[in-house]
Parts: sequence; C-alpha cells; structure tokens
Amino acid sequence: DIVMTQSPDSLAVSLGERATINCKASQSVLYSSDNKNKLGWYQQKPGQPPKLLIYWASTRESEVPDRFSGSGSGTDFTLTISSLQAEDVAVYYCQQYYSVPFTFGQGTKLEIK
Amino acid sequence: QVQLVESGGGVVHPGGSLRLSCAASGFTFTNYGMHWVRQTPRKGLEWVAAMSYDGSNIFYSSSVNGRFTISRDSSNNTLYLQMNSLRTEDTAVYYCARGRHHSAWSSSDSWGQGTPVTVSS
Repeated sequence: DIVMTQSPDSLAVSLGERATINCKASQSVLYSSDNKNKLGWYQQKPGQPPKLLIYWASTRESEVPDRFSGSGSGTDFTLTISSLQAEDVAVYYCQQYYSVPFTFGQGTKLEIK
Repeated sequence: QVQLVESGGGVVHPGGSLRLSCAASGFTFTNYGMHWVRQTPRKGLEWVAAMSYDGSNIFYSSSVNGRFTISRDSSNNTLYLQMNSLRTEDTAVYYCARGRHHSAWSSSDSWGQGTPVTVSS
C-alpha cells in the first residue's frame, strides 16, 4: 500500500497569511502513460463531507477559489492557500489514486492564529 | 445539481450484515465510476471500495475484501455496499462518492452526507 504522510498535523495561520500543507507518498504517484500525478486534495469542514479542491496534484476543481493551489510531483506535494480566509478553517486531506487501495493522508487541521 | 444520498446505516451486532444504498441524481450515473469511503475519528478517511462506470473494474481495501460487495443498479441510479461479517472496527460514517470520470482510478468530486454504521454487541 502507498502510505500518505501529511505535515504538519495541525497549523495555525493569521488571516491573510499563507498556509502550506505538505503530503509525502511512500512511492511515486506519477503515472508515466499520461505524465499525471494521481494525487488529490480535499477540504473537510465540521459536519460536512470532504470537498475536492485539487486533482492531478495541481488542477483546481471548478469554483474553487484561486487562492488554493497544488504543486509537486512524484512523491512530494504541497497545498498552498495564498491568503487565508476565515472560511478556510477545516481539515485538509491528500489522497493518491495511483494504485489500490486509494489511500488518504492522516489530515492537517488548519486554524486561525 | 449532483446529489448523492446514502441510506441503510444503523446499529448491528458483530457478525451481522447491512446493505448501504446511495441514490444518485443530477448526472448520468452510467458515465461515472463510484466509490465508498468511510471515516472514523481515530483513523480518519479510509477508502473502502470502487467500481468503474460499467462494473468491469471493482476494487476493495484489504480490510473489507471478501466481506463487502460493491454493486450498482443503473435502472434506478443506485450504488450499493453489501457488508457481511461485520466487525467492531467497521464502525464508521460511510460516504458514497462520485469519481471524476468513468474509471475507478480517480479522485472523488461529489460526496453524499454519509450514513453512520455502528457495530456493537
């Protein structure tokens, strides 16, 4: 199984500041046939299901604000929120869909400082 | 808009069975792969099973393989998860999720609200 490890486990950032969450895969999730990283980022707010923010490591889902961006390739990935808003308080998860089982990271809890 | 509504959760004894349903609407069900994902406070999100748009590819996590069965009925746009030989560690909120495209190998772009399953004696 591919193990997904996120860092940090929790993060407190001031409003308007940048938030950065990392995700490391135990093996590459770059699919050579299409050169796409099979990596997604989700946001989950209390009492709600997860919401897809980013797929293919860096493609923003429709209607997701452009302050959210994803980067990285192979085994190391980053989710960046360029200017934190109050509504961004949530738990963020990465997930690989390169190979079964499609494993998730343990989650990163983002709070306002 | 896309809507996924899970049902069938509840309380069951260890060794028992439950069948979860996920009613899909707002999109062409036969064009998309579908997933079941569960969540507990201790283990977080855990992918459980996936099925491609036509049922030709079906995958399970090792923790449920041989006990759970994913299926879909295109005549009524419903995804199912038959859960047998339930264990206490299967206690979780179960989410139905739509894949981004027809394949089982995809992220999930729409999720239901979840249905809770409790396995307890």
